[in-house]
Amino acid sequence: EVQLVESGGGLVKPGGSLRLSCAASGFTFSSYTMNWVRQAPGKGLEWVSSISSSSSYIYYADSLKGRFTISRDNAKNSLFLQMNSLRAEDTAVYYCARDRGNSLAEFDYWGQGTLVTVSS
Amino acid sequence: QSALTQPPSASGSPGQSVTISCTGTSSDVGGYNYVSWYKQHPGKAPKLMIYEVSKRPSGVPDRFSGSKSGNTASLTVSGLQAEDEADYYCSSYAGSNNLVFGGGTKVTVL
Repeated sequence: EVQLVESGGGLVKPGGSLRLSCAASGFTFSSYTMNWVRQAPGKGLEWVSSISSSSSYIYYADSLKGRFTISRDNAKNSLFLQMNSLRAEDTAVYYCARDRGNSLAEFDYWGQGTLVTVSS
Repeated sequence: QSALTQPPSASGSPGQSVTISCTGTSSDVGGYNYVSWYKQHPGKAPKLMIYEVSKRPSGVPDRFSGSKSGNTASLTVSGLQAEDEADYYCSSYAGSNNLVFGGGTKVTVL
């Protein structure tokens, strides 16, 4: 059974940093592009970042302006998101999601999400 | 990149059909056959219902169907059931390694 379990969320002050993790199991993690998608409270989904299976290709939403860094450790079946210079508008549930076709188009498995709250 | 446009709400009685639209531009919906639809219950993770405009993942009932015409994609849920009540989001590849989502549509089963 495919499982994605996020962790690392919490309360952080504006300007602070946080590192999210996503532990994957039940599939060959090293064969799939992985993504982070966020959802602000009561709002819609927003794609954040994508990383290819071997980390050769990394993409970010334009709105992030270099504040976030995605990475992965295939030996540990783990995905990460380093978030710096956090702002109130980054408050959201952050989901990791598997890219079904490695095409940045369809995400067939999602974690349960981890809540990041940016507030003083 | 602007979000895709979805109606905020849609509704239908049990057994009826409901269709949700997702309007973009020639740079996203109209330019690629990479439109997906997700279903999300409150407090839960999204679930992939349709990918590549009209394909269903294994396990998704054939009551769910997708289509596209020009810059607008559509999701139709036939034979509405109580468990279909949820928020639905469309997404589209938007070129230049970008993905854009719609604002979401709340489907109510009357």
